[in-house]
Amino acid sequence: NAGVTQTPKFRILKIGQSMTLQCAQDMNHNYMYWYRQDPGMGLKLIYYSVGAGITDKGEVPNGYNVSRSTTEDFPLRLELAAPSQTSVYFCASTLTGSQETQYFGPGTRLLVL
Amino acid sequence: GQNIDQPTEMTATEGAIVQINCTYQTSGFNGLFWYQQHAGEAPTFLSYNVLDGLEEKGRFSSFLSRSKGYSYLLLKELQMKDSASYLCAVTQPSGGYSTLTFGKGTMLLVSP
Repeated sequence: NAGVTQTPKFRILKIGQSMTLQCAQDMNHNYMYWYRQDPGMGLKLIYYSVGAGITDKGEVPNGYNVSRSTTEDFPLRLELAAPSQTSVYFCASTLTGSQETQYFGPGTRLLVL
Repeated sequence: GQNIDQPTEMTATEGAIVQINCTYQTSGFNGLFWYQQHAGEAPTFLSYNVLDGLEEKGRFSSFLSRSKGYSYLLLKELQMKDSASYLCAVTQPSGGYSTLTFGKGTMLLVSP
């Protein structure tokens, strides 16, 4: 099992560019989450999904979009990158919900200049 | 609103015991997690408390008081590798599901 994988590991974007952060898990988990973590801060939930075709907003969804067409994949889309989106992005998954241990991917570091 | 408070930074000496406190005020509560996060890495699970009381797991223990909105993580026999950020997180109902809300984390520095 690879667990939760994320690509890319690091990316520099110019203001206004768009990109997709990829997240995949091979544990057949139903729930998947996207968090961002700014320096000295905890993780903030951007979006989550409880299964293929079902997504919902978290605490900080503005500027982001997600889709969940398969159980395995949960990509995060930035349409118009802004400096405020400079952060480390973590994807996580659980089998049946947030009352279980979340398995985190290694993270994607994004710098918007 | 949601409010999870923990100290920003703590220092301790190798071999000592340290207690990291977490207080929370949230609109709902299902349970409380502690995660460890080394610099540049993803968080990893340490403990999960649902009921009041102490959960012990090797050198690490976690305590919860639901009535007081309070938890602590106790680390014994500190080692240099315990230098990391420790994140307190509350799981709470959200719509028909539940989500995790994190505190800002406590950076623990262990010195020789």
